[in-house]
Amino acid sequence: QVQLVQSGAEVKKPGASVKVSCKASGYTFTSHDINWVRQAPGQGLEWMGWMNPKYGNTDYAQKFQGRVTMTRDTSISTAYMELTSLRLDDTAVYYCARGIQLWHMFDYWGQGHLVTVSS
Amino acid sequence: SYELTQPPSVSVSPGQTATVTCSGDDLGHKYASWYQQKPGQSPVLVLYQDTKRPSGIPERFSGSNSGNTATLTISGTQAMDEADYYCQAWDTSAYFFGTGTKVTVL
Repeated sequence: QVQLVQSGAEVKKPGASVKVSCKASGYTFTSHDINWVRQAPGQGLEWMGWMNPKYGNTDYAQKFQGRVTMTRDTSISTAYMELTSLRLDDTAVYYCARGIQLWHMFDYWGQGHLVTVSS
Repeated sequence: SYELTQPPSVSVSPGQTATVTCSGDDLGHKYASWYQQKPGQSPVLVLYQDTKRPSGIPERFSGSNSGNTATLTISGTQAMDEADYYCQAWDTSAYFFGTGTKVTVL
């Protein structure tokens, strides 16, 4: 069965960077996009960008351009999202989600990775 | 930026029909997807391509999309359907989520 397993929670200081991982299994990693979505405490879902694991090309939401980088290691079927220059309002649960671009939807989601930014 | 607007809350009695709307400019010409999120859990896809249900999603979940409004309908609502619901669409090379609707089963 398809699974996206994310790394655990962590605390970061303002100005630091965080790199979140997302390990895929149960399907061919390079066949589907990986999207990243975040959710601040008590707030809604916010799309950050997507990556094509086969070619490594990416597209980022305008809000995060310049601060986010999405990469992958196909040898271990793992996608990464790095966010730099962290601010207090970057505190959120960060989800990876498998995307089906043809139908513009996300059919499987990781369990989420809580990043707390605190001084 | 593309905005998708949902009502903050919808209340429904068990066994009745819950209707959640999602409004966006010319949304009817885009694919709408819907996600269910229960407290402390990851979102789950319940509808895609406006009306299609993924495997394992009950038939009581249905959808439509026309004009500027997509609609999620839950027929015969059950207590387990109490959750937050988000619509989603793709516009100009980006995904956007709706503001979210809390469905309460009274």
